[in-house]
This record gives sequence, structure tokens and C-alpha cells, in this order.
Amino acid sequence: GNSVTQMEGPVTLSEEAFLTINCTYTATGYPSLFWYVQYPGEGLQLLLKATKADDKGSNKGFEATYRKETTSFHLEKGSVQVSDSAVYFCALIGGGDNQGGKLIFGQGTELSVKP
Amino acid sequence: DAGVTQSPTHLIKTRGQQVTLRCSPKSGHDTVSWYQQALGQGPQFIFQYYEEEERQRGNFPDRFSGHQFPNYSSELNVNALLLGDSALYLCASSSHTGAGTEAFFGQGTRLTVV
Repeated sequence: GNSVTQMEGPVTLSEEAFLTINCTYTATGYPSLFWYVQYPGEGLQLLLKATKADDKGSNKGFEATYRKETTSFHLEKGSVQVSDSAVYFCALIGGGDNQGGKLIFGQGTELSVKP
Repeated sequence: DAGVTQSPTHLIKTRGQQVTLRCSPKSGHDTVSWYQQALGQGPQFIFQYYEEEERQRGNFPDRFSGHQFPNYSSELNVNALLLGDSALYLCASSSHTGAGTEAFFGQGTRLTVV
């Protein structure tokens, strides 16, 4: 079945450092890919998405490119801030036997940014 | 727009009891999905409701059941609670227009089973 694998955390960075959180997926067909962010004690917020190969999703300085050849959707940000500290989830929807809107999530990567 | 609202925010129950969690979807959305998020894990899909019927179900036992009302709001019921049911329960709403449609999440209900 479909699955998502993220790099393990926690990831600790200094403010203004470059961020990469790796995400790879397994799916038949053409899923849509998402990054969600969860701040402490809160639900999930959509950060960005890409719905087809080579699409780049971007929001709030974060970017991720849908790479079908490497089945990846790595999250990047050029300069992180303390306020970016949160847990980041990579997810997919659709593709093969996963039709109908069921989101499949990775295990999450905790990011801690120090001043 | 109030977004997705869930109630209650927190809940403590005893093993063997039953619990009902509630969700109101974002305005304009007709599909509600429920997820269970154990501590330190990613959310796991429980089931999805559209047109008042369960459309998809994840790998959860029959103790987990749900309902969708004509106004699109939804309930999640869990019977015979186990300690392992302690988790954050998330409701997500979306529009039933196929894969790739953005899902909006509520703040969640933190259930503790003692």
C-alpha cells in the first residue's frame, strides 16, 4: 500500500540556518503531496502542496518540489526562525488504491530553532 | 469563517466507558474525515463520511463508529475504551471533488483513558 517516510527528528537548528526535511513516498499512480505543520497543542495546518510531477509548492518561505523520478517531496527553507519550531508532517492523498481523500502521513519531524 | 471546530477540547474517561467526539466542518465542505494521532506519531486515518455514509475506513476495530448529520457535522464514537485509545483525535473537512482537495483540520480532542 501507499506510504510516506520522513527523516527522523528532532532537528535542531540555529536561527537563519538552512532547513531540509526529507520525505519520500511509495504510491502507484499520481498522488498529490502535502506538507502540514503542527504547533504545540494545536491541530494540523496545511503548509504547502503539489498535485503533479515537477510542481513546486511554496508558502511562508518554505518550498517543496514534487519529484516523481525520486519519489520525493523534500521541504526546504532558506532561513529558519524561532517561530518555525513545530512538527512537520509529509502526507499524500490519492494514487493507486488510495482514492477518495484518505490522507496518509509520515511519522513527523520535530524542528527546534534556537535563537 | 470559523473553520473546523471540534468539541470537547480535552476529555478524560475510564477504561470500558464510551465516548462521543464532535466536529463541525468548515463552511462549504461536505466531507468529514477522522484521524487518530498517538503521541509522537503521525495521524492515522479512521474513517471518512460523505452524504451521511461511511465511504472509507482505515484499520480500526468496530468499537470505532461514526455518524454524519444532514448539516455535514459529524460524531466519532468509541465504545469499550482501552488505555491504548488515548490520543489526539483530529477531524478534517474537505469538499468532495476528488484527490488533491485540501483538507482543513480542527484543533483536535485530546482523549485520555485511565
